[in-house]
Amino acid sequence: QKEVEQNSGPLSVPEGAIASLNCTYSDRGSQSFFWYRQYSGKSPELIMFIYSNGDKEDGRFTAQLNKASQYVSLLIRDSQPSDSATYLCALSTGGSYIPTFGRGTSLIVHP
Amino acid sequence: DVKVTQSSRYLVKRTGEKVFLECVQDMDHENMFWYRQDPGLGLRLIYFSYDVKMKEKGDIPEGYSVSREKKERFSLILESASTNQTSMYLCASSLPNRDSPLHFGNGTRLTVT
Repeated sequence: QKEVEQNSGPLSVPEGAIASLNCTYSDRGSQSFFWYRQYSGKSPELIMFIYSNGDKEDGRFTAQLNKASQYVSLLIRDSQPSDSATYLCALSTGGSYIPTFGRGTSLIVHP
Repeated sequence: DVKVTQSSRYLVKRTGEKVFLECVQDMDHENMFWYRQDPGLGLRLIYFSYDVKMKEKGDIPEGYSVSREKKERFSLILESASTNQTSMYLCASSLPNRDSPLHFGNGTRLTVT
């Protein structure tokens, strides 16, 4: 059984701070990792994906992957109130097209 | 731009009714998914389709069926709606490889009274 664990939060950070969102997983065969953002009442939208160990940066977002320790993180620099949302971690393995989702972490950025 | 369209944003149905939720994608994606999302439970997969007329049960298929007669359209059917099927329903599509992210529709909030 593949499992993806996220702290449900809420994680509360002040505007301008770095928000760090973490995700651990149990299946060592996991190969592709995705971060989705979901605003309240809206559907998830992809913000980052990462396949290789290390860091991947896109604007204010950085995804970090450590396959040996089985975790993937999302850092949001210079957090803004508009970043307040639920962040879903998802992963895929080589044997399936069906991704496994975590339950999400709620992020609140307060002015 | 990639587009997944769900036919209704809000739907109210009565217990026992047969309910159809429609989803259309314009990206020529092979894979299509139906999820439901409830507070505290995250996304739960109901059904998955990897080709026309092909389907696989997800984690919670009971009480639901699906139809995929054309590549771009994936329908979710509640044979006899019950109050415990009140939820947000999300359709998604993707290419047939593990590196492909899911593209979600706007969701249908179904209330069964």
